[in-house]
Amino acid sequence: DIVMTQTPLSLSVTPGQPASISCKSSQSLLHSDGKTYLFWYLQKPGQSPQLLMYEVSSRFPGVPDRFSGSGSGTDFTLKISRVEAEDVGVYYCMQGINRLTFGGGTKVEIK
Amino acid sequence: VQLVESGGGVIQPGGSLRLSCAASGFTFSRYAMTWVRQAPGKGLEWVSAIGGGGGSTYYADSVKGRFTISRDDSKDTLYLQMSSLRADDTALYYCGKDLWETNSWYGGIGSWGQGALVTVSS
Repeated sequence: DIVMTQTPLSLSVTPGQPASISCKSSQSLLHSDGKTYLFWYLQKPGQSPQLLMYEVSSRFPGVPDRFSGSGSGTDFTLKISRVEAEDVGVYYCMQGINRLTFGGGTKVEIK
Repeated sequence: VQLVESGGGVIQPGGSLRLSCAASGFTFSRYAMTWVRQAPGKGLEWVSAIGGGGGSTYYADSVKGRFTISRDDSKDTLYLQMSSLRADDTALYYCGKDLWETNSWYGGIGSWGQGALVTVSS
């Protein structure tokens, strides 16, 4: 099974400041079809998860452009250029190359 | 897109339960569907998936042999039949719709339901 490791476990950010979350996979997520099956989700308090990014760096419709994804192979990063109050919640990375596996989550709160 | 789970409840260890997920707002038959669960206060765990057209099914090792995923495209409904339930199956069960139309399974979940709570306890 592919293990997804997220860091940090939690993040306290001042509004308007940037934030960055790392996600590492135990195996490469690059498929033979050329796509890299790495996704980012945000679960806001009391809500279902919502898709932010797919295939590393493609923003899901409606996701603000302050969110960006990068990385390749086994190392990935989600960046928020300027954190807003509505960005609080738990962020999960997920691999989809071999079944599905989620990272342990990163809780983002506002200072 | 709307996904509405139902069928959750309190069940004794060893018992069985069937979850349903009613879909609307898209052509259900064209999308693979997924179940993901979240134990109280914990992270997300993938449970099972079924391809568009129902030809292929996939299971996490933790539920293989105990859970069965199925779909009725005539009713736009996804199911998860759960048997031999254990305390560690206690969780909020979400159904999810694949991001893209496919005859197989893309994997990325584009839309999620609100979840159905399953509590396994004596």
